[in-house]
Amino acid sequence: EVHLLESGGALVQPGGSLRLACAASGFTFTNYAMTWVRQAPGKGLEWVSGISISGDTTYYADSVKGRFTISRDNSKNTLYLQMNSLRAEDTAEYYCVNLQSDYWGQGTLVTVSS
Amino acid sequence: QTVVTQEPSFSVSPGGTVTLTCGLNSGSVSTTHYPNWYQQTPGQAPRTLIYNTNTRSSGVPDRFSGSILGNKAALTITGAQADDECDYYCVLYMGSGIWVFGGGTKLIVL
Repeated sequence: EVHLLESGGALVQPGGSLRLACAASGFTFTNYAMTWVRQAPGKGLEWVSGISISGDTTYYADSVKGRFTISRDNSKNTLYLQMNSLRAEDTAEYYCVNLQSDYWGQGTLVTVSS
Repeated sequence: QTVVTQEPSFSVSPGGTVTLTCGLNSGSVSTTHYPNWYQQTPGQAPRTLIYNTNTRSSGVPDRFSGSILGNKAALTITGAQADDECDYYCVLYMGSGIWVFGGGTKLIVL
């Protein structure tokens, strides 16, 4: 059975940093590009960032470019999202997703507030 | 700027058939956009219904089907049930690693 388990969400002050992690199991992690998707409270889904199978190529939404960094450790079947210079508008549930298939995590909540 | 369009809301009668669409503000949607469809009930993570245009996710009833209709991706629900009332989202691949979600459709079953 496929599992994507996100962790690392927390309450953080504006300007602060967080690192999210997503532990993958039940499928061949190294066969898939991976993404982070977020959903602000009461809002729709937003694609945030993606990474290639090898990790050599990364992609970002304009809203997070220059502040967030996606990475992966294929030896640990884990996806990461380093979030710096956090803003109130980054408050959201963050999901680890494989958009080429049907794998979604349950999400981890990031709240940016003073 | 690429905008993925979805109907903000749609109504269907119980037992009826409804087709939700997913378009682009500029251009046509094709299979090369690998459209995916998600269902989300309040307080829950999204659930994949359809990926890669028309591949049904495991456990999804065959009442749900995906296709390309004209210049849009489409999600058709046949035999609508009360618990189909929730939000539906599509996402399209725009190339260069970029995906864009639609704003979502709130489906009302009454």
